[in-house]
Amino acid sequence: GEDVEQSLFLSVREGDSSVINCTYTDSSSTYLYWYKQEPGAGLQLLTYIFSNMDMKQDQRLTVLLNKKDKHLSLRIADTQTGDSAIYFCAEILGDYKLSFGAGTTVTVRA
Amino acid sequence: GAVVSQHPSWVICKSGTSVKIECRSLDFQATTMFWYRQFPKQSLMLMATSNEGSKATYEQGVEKDKFLINHASLTLSTLTVTSAHPEDSSFYICSAGGRGGPGDEQFFGPGTRLTVL
Repeated sequence: GEDVEQSLFLSVREGDSSVINCTYTDSSSTYLYWYKQEPGAGLQLLTYIFSNMDMKQDQRLTVLLNKKDKHLSLRIADTQTGDSAIYFCAEILGDYKLSFGAGTTVTVRA
Repeated sequence: GAVVSQHPSWVICKSGTSVKIECRSLDFQATTMFWYRQFPKQSLMLMATSNEGSKATYEQGVEKDKFLINHASLTLSTLTVTSAHPEDSSFYICSAGGRGGPGDEQFFGPGTRLTVL
């Protein structure tokens, strides 16, 4: 199984906030990423956070990082139907390799 | 922004044939390209890392003779699935790095859906 762990499903009402959680394994990872994948498509980088940061905000997206617990979260404010997708967290390992979680499928209901 | 394309976007082939998938970085020179495989509702699994002009580095458990990777130029890498079988059916995604950015950010192609009959 993957070393990066995520919950598999999240259902949220349109307009509410979504929070996706992730735990990673390598405390020396310098960057942690959130990617979005829509059906049948490749991955789109949503945001990233440098390991010396606790929080990063980018418009509707807020990333929180707890290095002690190796916990990463992504909050999407005012979730819209277009936010329905699979969200992957990823950590960067040596040689710039990315290790991905299994992905969280977010379903936005009206 | 950086754009990575893949061709074809989908392919259906007969068992025993070979299939070539191309990955191109359209507006930057990619010193490193990565090939991933994704099964339905699962994560991306790194298959191999290719550097321009040198042999690819394969992950453990990936057959290098079955998945041939060529990175002939800074903008093109190809993955050839040789003697394809139904179990090779999957979604193959490439990414390209070398443009700099956080952790040498990888830019992903749209993926290629391979179905082997």
